[in-house]
Amino acid sequence: EAEVAQSPRYKITEKSQAVAFWCDPISGHATLYWYRQILGQGPELLVQFQDESVVDDSQLPKDRFSAERLKGVDSTLKIQPAELGDSAMYLCASSGGDLGNTEAFFGQGTRLTVV
Amino acid sequence: AQSVAQPEDQVNVAEGNPLTVKCTYSVSGNPYLFWYVQYPNRGLQFLLKYITGDNLVKGSYGFEAEFNKSQTSFHLKKPSALVSDSALYFCAVRASGSARQLTFGSGTQLTVLP
Repeated sequence: EAEVAQSPRYKITEKSQAVAFWCDPISGHATLYWYRQILGQGPELLVQFQDESVVDDSQLPKDRFSAERLKGVDSTLKIQPAELGDSAMYLCASSGGDLGNTEAFFGQGTRLTVV
Repeated sequence: AQSVAQPEDQVNVAEGNPLTVKCTYSVSGNPYLFWYVQYPNRGLQFLLKYITGDNLVKGSYGFEAEFNKSQTSFHLKKPSALVSDSALYFCAVRASGSARQLTFGSGTQLTVLP
C-alpha cells in the first residue's frame, strides 16, 4: 500500500539552529500539505502545494519557515532559526485529484523538540 | 473563514455501547467532510468522508457518520464500541472546488472502557 514518507521521525535541536524535514508524497498526488500539530490539538495548515506551486501559505511564519517542492514531487520544510515554541509534530499529507473531494493521506510525522 | 468545532474534548463509553463523536462545521458553499483517527505518535488515518449523495456514509472499522446540512453537523458514530477504538478523532472540512484548504477540528479523545 502506498504511503507518505517523512523523515526524520524524531528531531531534537537547540534553539537558534536550523532544522529541515523531508516528505515524499504518494506517487501521482498533486496536492501536498504541511501541517503543524501541537500536542493535544488539531493539525494547523502551514503550507499547501499544488504540484510545485504554493496555493496557500497564509499561516506559514515566513520570517523563519520556508517550504519548497521544486519538481512537484517531494518537499522540504525548513525552520531557521528554531524557537522553543516550534516544538510540535510536523505532518505531511498528500491527496490526488484536483476537485478537493479526495481524502488526504498522512505520513507518520516528525516530532520536533527544540531545547 | 471555514472552521470545525468538536465540542467534546473527551468522550468515554463502555465497550459494546454505541458511541457518538460530535462535529459541526462552517464553510462557504458545499462542504466536503472527513473523519480521521490518530493513535499516539502516529499520523492521521482516514476513516470516512461525505462528498455528496446519501447523508449516511460508512467507513473503516465499522464507523459511520451522518451529514446534516440544516444543523451543519457531521457526527461520527459506531453501533458497538471496542476498546481498540480508543484514540483521538478529528473532523475536517474543505469547501468544494479545487485546491481548497482542509481545516481540522481540535480533536476528541475517545476512551472505550472494558
